[in-house]
Amino acid sequence: GESVGLHLPTLSVQEGDNSIINCAYSNSASDYFIWYKQESGKGPQFIIDIRSNMDKRQGQRVTVLLNKTVKHLSLQIAATQPGDSAVYFCAENRDNYGQNFVFGPGTRLSVLP
Amino acid sequence: EAQVTQNPRYLITVTGKKLTVTCSQNMNHEYMSWYRQDPGLGLRQIYYSMNVEVTDKGDVPEGYKVSRKEKRNFPLILESPSPNQTSLYFCASSLAGVPDTQYFGPGTRLTVL
Repeated sequence: GESVGLHLPTLSVQEGDNSIINCAYSNSASDYFIWYKQESGKGPQFIIDIRSNMDKRQGQRVTVLLNKTVKHLSLQIAATQPGDSAVYFCAENRDNYGQNFVFGPGTRLSVLP
Repeated sequence: EAQVTQNPRYLITVTGKKLTVTCSQNMNHEYMSWYRQDPGLGLRQIYYSMNVEVTDKGDVPEGYKVSRKEKRNFPLILESPSPNQTSLYFCASSLAGVPDTQYFGPGTRLTVL
């Protein structure tokens, strides 16, 4: 499969523990954010999104927190499983839910047995 | 099955030899985009299109062209490829104004010698 990158920040967690992945964004005017998961050999896959009028949004086992004051996003994964091993990207939308996205560099999550 | 397809998946070429990477989606999505992914840099948007005959530059459009003559297809054209265009390329599509419907293709690994 395709490799995503060789020099990404890596987070290693024990199976069953919670994971927290962080992301800083650049544009204080960005009003919509997405977290993506990219498994080896595949394209990115949507996980969860949040609008700038929210501080927190929960999905199934995932929670996204948005701190607009410091332009920071985090993705929390509860009870991390081996299938969660992947690279995670945040993306900020710059054109009001259009197509202009800026992606962060990504974090590799490694789940230890 | 809903999908975004890209061809070719792998390509090795030489500097200056024009090439086209095709992208096709079967979901009747209005929005389509091209990204390149490089180690440590994450995904960077090359071009995007919000409908037929409507295209806009992303963050790194230099050296690339696109066209959107039909809704389902969004080819990426490199008129005169150079080694700095060696990268992993992803095409994506989504419904207009609904970014969480975004699908990514499987990627095209391009090497320019």
